[in-house]
Amino acid sequence: DIQMTQSPSSLSASVGDRVTITCRTSQSISNYLNWYQQKPGKDPKVLIYAASTLQSGVPSRFSGSGSATHFTLSISSLQPEDVATYYCQQSYGLPWTFGQGTKVEIK
Amino acid sequence: VELEESGGGLVQPRGSLRLSCTTSGFIFRNYEMSWVRQAPGKGLEWISYIGDSGSTIHYADSVKGRFSISRDNARKSLFLQMDSLRPEDTAVYFCARQKRGVTRFGVTGPYFDYWGQGTLVIVSS
Repeated sequence: DIQMTQSPSSLSASVGDRVTITCRTSQSISNYLNWYQQKPGKDPKVLIYAASTLQSGVPSRFSGSGSATHFTLSISSLQPEDVATYYCQQSYGLPWTFGQGTKVEIK
Repeated sequence: VELEESGGGLVQPRGSLRLSCTTSGFIFRNYEMSWVRQAPGKGLEWISYIGDSGSTIHYADSVKGRFSISRDNARKSLFLQMDSLRPEDTAVYFCARQKRGVTRFGVTGPYFDYWGQGTLVIVSS
């Protein structure tokens, strides 16, 4: 199985700050990497697919980059509504696996 | 697009449960589907996939041999038959629609573009 390692596990930042979350994979997955946002008690929402393509309707402050084994999700200017847990997920090979999540809070 | 799970509840260890996912707002027969679960306070775990026609099926090792995924395209519904349930199967179970995008580099890998709200399964005596 492809192992996913996200960092940090949690972070606290101020409104307006730039936030970056990292996802590393145990083997190269090209750009088969997706990012999801999950707010408490809700279902996940896809933010980014194919490492860097913004899902329709997602604010442009979210962006993704990376390839092979190193990927990042960035929020250019953190907003209160961005409080959530963020997950990376690889779709390169079965079983599809998720990172352990990064909890983002407002300072 | 809407997906709605049902069928969760409290079940004893070694018991069975059948989850349903009813859908609307899209042409169900054209889409691959998956089940993803989330144990209380934990992360997301993909557990099963079914192709658009139902002929291709995959399972995570954690549920292989105990769970069975199926679909009824006429009823626009997805199912998960769960047998030999264990306490570690306690989780919220989400059904999710899969999509492959198209970028300037070609067709992307699959991603889950719509999810249901989830149904809670508790396995306990």
